[in-house]
Amino acid sequence: AQTVTQSQPEMSVQEAETVTLSCTYDTSESDYYLFWYKQPPSRQMILVIRQEAYKQQNATENRFSVNFQKAAKSFSLKISDSQLGDAAMYFCAYRRGYGGATNKLIFGTGTLLAVQP
Amino acid sequence: NAGVTQTPKFQVLKTGQSMTLQCAQDMNHNSMYWYRQDPGMGLRLIYYSASEGTTDKGEVPNGYNVSRLNKREFSLRLESAAPSQTSVYFCASGDRGLTETQYFGPGTRLLVL
Repeated sequence: AQTVTQSQPEMSVQEAETVTLSCTYDTSESDYYLFWYKQPPSRQMILVIRQEAYKQQNATENRFSVNFQKAAKSFSLKISDSQLGDAAMYFCAYRRGYGGATNKLIFGTGTLLAVQP
Repeated sequence: NAGVTQTPKFQVLKTGQSMTLQCAQDMNHNSMYWYRQDPGMGLRLIYYSASEGTTDKGEVPNGYNVSRLNKREFSLRLESAAPSQTSVYFCASGDRGLTETQYFGPGTRLLVL
């Protein structure tokens, strides 16, 4: 069974600095997708970034980028120029490639990010 | 374009009461999902619907039933609520393509006393 591990329950960063959130996963499949979701205090789950396993190039979305290491099964999120609005719980999630009975997401336990002014 | 909407936002139930959580999406997605979120845990899948007319159990289906009313709506029913079902419930939808990404509703916070 696939598992997703986030080993940092809490992180803190100064405004305008850079922070990296860690995520590792375990799977025997070669085709899959990885996601980072942000959950602010409003509890809304917001997609931050997505990575396809077959792509070697790391995904980027403005100030958010990932470091995808397929062999190491590592998928970290880097937030550059941190802003107060980045404060939230961040979840790493895994989904198998299309073709299975379900496209369910498997989530890690989350990392709570605080941004200090 | 509202995305995924859920009602109610918050509900308090007594043990043994029943209720239905409503979810609707306006993105013309085929797949819809119900997850629950408990403290210290990520989201866990309760039920999903790959397309209109089909539903299947997820990781934690016990105590729940679902109905895919049409392509837009996917409801979750608790027939006899238990304190262990106190949680935050999220509905999500996705277009079930190769690059399916799931989009989430705002969540329903349920407290069972």
